[in-house]
Amino acid sequence: DIQMTQSPSSLSTSLGDRVTITCHANQDIKTYLNWYQQKPGKAPKLLIHDASGLETGVPSRFTGSGSGTDFIFTITSLQPEDIATYYCQHYNYHPRAITFGQGTRLEIK
Amino acid sequence: EVQLVESGGGLVKPGGSLRLSCEVSGIAFSLHSMHWVRQVPGKGLQWVSSIDTRGLNMYYGDSVKGRFTISRDDAKNTLYLQMNSLRGEDTAVYYCARDFSDWGQGTMVTVSS
Repeated sequence: DIQMTQSPSSLSTSLGDRVTITCHANQDIKTYLNWYQQKPGKAPKLLIHDASGLETGVPSRFTGSGSGTDFIFTITSLQPEDIATYYCQHYNYHPRAITFGQGTRLEIK
Repeated sequence: EVQLVESGGGLVKPGGSLRLSCEVSGIAFSLHSMHWVRQVPGKGLQWVSSIDTRGLNMYYGDSVKGRFTISRDDAKNTLYLQMNSLRGEDTAVYYCARDFSDWGQGTMVTVSS
């Protein structure tokens, strides 16, 4: 089974900071990786698809990179509305399996 | 505007059953794979099940395999999750999602005696 290890689990940051979250797969998943933002009491929101594709309407301060086993999600300049929990997600088609990372909770210092 | 609206959650005793529904509007429902994802309050996201277009293939996470059944009615633009033999660890908010791009607001399932 593919395991996704996301780090850190929480991050204390300041507005305007550059934020970096990593996701590691225990085997090659090519670029079958998405990134989500989730605010309390709300459904997840897809930000980045296929490791680096920015979803329509998502601000360009959100970026994703990586392939194979190691992936990076970056917020270039943290805004107040970015305070949330972020998840990576691997999706495999054959056989179908979908695995989420453990999540990274952003907090303001 | 794409809308996904879940319903059917509630309180059920261990061993009981529940059927969740997800009504979809604003898109050609039949053209999309659909998914169920759950989240224990305060915890992370867990994939539950997926169904391909026309219901050709269904897939399940290990923790629900053999107990849950996903289905769809393209004529009603509705996705279902039949949950049987429910356990305490199935207590969670259940979300439906379209291709993971659009999500419902979630419905709470509580399994408790």
